[in-house]
Amino acid sequence: DIQMTQSPSSLSASVGDRVTITCRASQSISSYLNWYQHKPGKAPKLLIYAASTLQTGVPSRFSGSGSGADFTLTISSLQPDDFATYSCQQSYSTPYTFGQGTKLEIK
Amino acid sequence: QVQLVQSGAEVKKPGASVKVSCQASGYTFFNYRITWVRQAPGQGLEWMGWISAYNDNTNYAQKLQGRVTMTTDTSTSTVYMELKSLTSDDTAVYYCATTLSSGTTSFDAYHIWGQGTMVTVSS
Repeated sequence: DIQMTQSPSSLSASVGDRVTITCRASQSISSYLNWYQHKPGKAPKLLIYAASTLQTGVPSRFSGSGSGADFTLTISSLQPDDFATYSCQQSYSTPYTFGQGTKLEIK
Repeated sequence: QVQLVQSGAEVKKPGASVKVSCQASGYTFFNYRITWVRQAPGQGLEWMGWISAYNDNTNYAQKLQGRVTMTTDTSTSTVYMELKSLTSDDTAVYYCATTLSSGTTSFDAYHIWGQGTMVTVSS
């Protein structure tokens, strides 16, 4: 199975900050990398697919980059609604493994 | 509108089985796969597998092989996920999910999710 490792596992930031979350795959996954946001009691929400394509309706302050094994999710200016957990997922080969999640908290 | 509606919470004893349903509406059921993902308390998301609503082909995570079965009922546009021989490690929120657009489908990126079903395994 492909292992997905996110860093950091948690992050404290303030409204307006720029934050970056990284995701590393245990082997090359080309651009088969998706990012999700999830909040307690709610289903995950797709933010980015194909490493850098913004899902319809997602604010442009979210962006993704990378290919191969190293990827990043950037939020350019944090908004109050962005405090949540973020997870990456590889869809290169089954099982489509997820990272362990990065919890973004208010400083 | 497009939605996936799951069955309600379940409490099961160790060794029992659970069957969770996911009813689709608002799109052509036969054309897409339904995937199951779970999240145990304090843990990350775990991909469990998918079933094609078109031909009932399945792809299960190896660690669940032999314990998980996914089926469809096309008459009601419903997918079922049955998990047998439950242990406390199976306590989790179970989600069904799908992808409908050509872009997200190409990358198995799930933009439609059910509301989640809590399964608790406890003696």
